[in-house]
Amino acid sequence: SQQGEEDPQALSIQEGENATMNCSYKTSINNLQWYRQNSGRGLVHLILIRSNEREKHSGRLRVTLDTSKKSSSLLITASRAADTASYFCATEAAGNKLTFGGGTRVLVKP
Amino acid sequence: GAVVSQHPSRVICKSGTSVKIECRSLDFQATTMFWYRQFPKKSLMLMATSNEGSKATYEQGVEKDKFLINHASLTLSTLTVTSAHPEDSSFYICSANALLATEIQETQYFGPGTRLLVL
Repeated sequence: SQQGEEDPQALSIQEGENATMNCSYKTSINNLQWYRQNSGRGLVHLILIRSNEREKHSGRLRVTLDTSKKSSSLLITASRAADTASYFCATEAAGNKLTFGGGTRVLVKP
Repeated sequence: GAVVSQHPSRVICKSGTSVKIECRSLDFQATTMFWYRQFPKKSLMLMATSNEGSKATYEQGVEKDKFLINHASLTLSTLTVTSAHPEDSSFYICSANALLATEIQETQYFGPGTRLLVL
């Protein structure tokens, strides 16, 4: 199974609401990263949180990391229609290799 | 920021032909690039790590003779799908590590992907 598993697989919210998605992983990591992918496009790096960090903010994004539970969450506040995309977590271990979770498809309805 | 391009963006080919996909780092040099494969509505699966000037490192289950990787320069890696078959149809994405002056850690920057359809 994949290193990262995401929950939920799909999320539908109204514009202005917050969106929260979770990621769990199995092995030790150097850091955990979140990416966004619009349909049929490449990935856009959103935020990186190192294993010794617990929370990080970037604009409307808030990421938490709990290494004891091997889990992370991504919160998008005050969502916009343009936030509609798939969001992936990826864990980085040795060798800069990333292992991706299954992704959460977020639909923000205007 | 660091920009990675891929060419072509989409390709349709007949079964049995070979297809080459290029991945370029446009404004930085990358000693390491990565190739991923993504099925519809699925996650990215790492296929191989491409190292400039040396052989690629393939992930378990990926046929190296099927997916030929060449990293001839610090800005270009190519993936050739040899004797392509319909089951090779997929979205192929490359990435390259870059350490920007504004960051303290290397980050992977992804290309826009290449959609391959084998008829």
